[in-house]
Amino acid sequence: EVQVVESGGGLVKPGGALRLSCAASGFSFNNAWMSWVRQAPGKGLEWVGRIKSKIDGGATDHAAPVRGRFTISRDDSKNTLYLQMNSLKTEDTAVYYCTTERGLGPAAKGPFDFWGQGTLVSVSS
Amino acid sequence: QLVLTQSPSASASLGASVNLTCTLSSGHSSYGIAWHQQQPEKGPRYLMKVNSDGSHNKGDGIPDRFSGSSSGADRYLTISSLLSEDEADYYCQTWGAGIRVFGGGTKLTVL
Repeated sequence: EVQVVESGGGLVKPGGALRLSCAASGFSFNNAWMSWVRQAPGKGLEWVGRIKSKIDGGATDHAAPVRGRFTISRDDSKNTLYLQMNSLKTEDTAVYYCTTERGLGPAAKGPFDFWGQGTLVSVSS
Repeated sequence: QLVLTQSPSASASLGASVNLTCTLSSGHSSYGIAWHQQQPEKGPRYLMKVNSDGSHNKGDGIPDRFSGSSSGADRYLTISSLLSEDEADYYCQTWGAGIRVFGGGTKLTVL
């Protein structure tokens, strides 16, 4: 059974830092591309960033609002995805979801084909 | 710029069918998209991928009542025999080199 479980959310002051984790199981994590997606209260879904599998080069891309402040990484030995969030702003308050792209080969990657349940990050003084 | 446009709301009666539309921005009509469902107070769930030729590939456990199709830059999600549990937000999503994009979502009300 495919599972991704996010953790690490909480309350943090503006300017602070937080690291989110996503523990994956039930699929070939080292072959999957992984993304973080967030949802501010009452708003729609917003892509945060993506990391490719190491076999596909391991490159990361981050959305403009978080570029330079957030960093995605992965530890394939632990089947875990991370999101390091620095210089947090109040507008970063959201539920953060971990998602998978498990299509076979780079051409099949793109759709988010599995979602976690999310972890809430609140940025407030 | 890669953009997806969705109507903010839709409604249909219990047992009826509904079509939700997602429109790709100019110059991107060959792109595939994915549909995701988010029921109230829950995380999103992947429904299917819809290709530009109208073919679609559903996620695990997605009922036959859900189907996808395409026409030009429009991608559709059709839900037939509506159930109360289909009342949810529906998001389309697409992808390019180094970018992933969501539409604004459509809130479906089942009357």
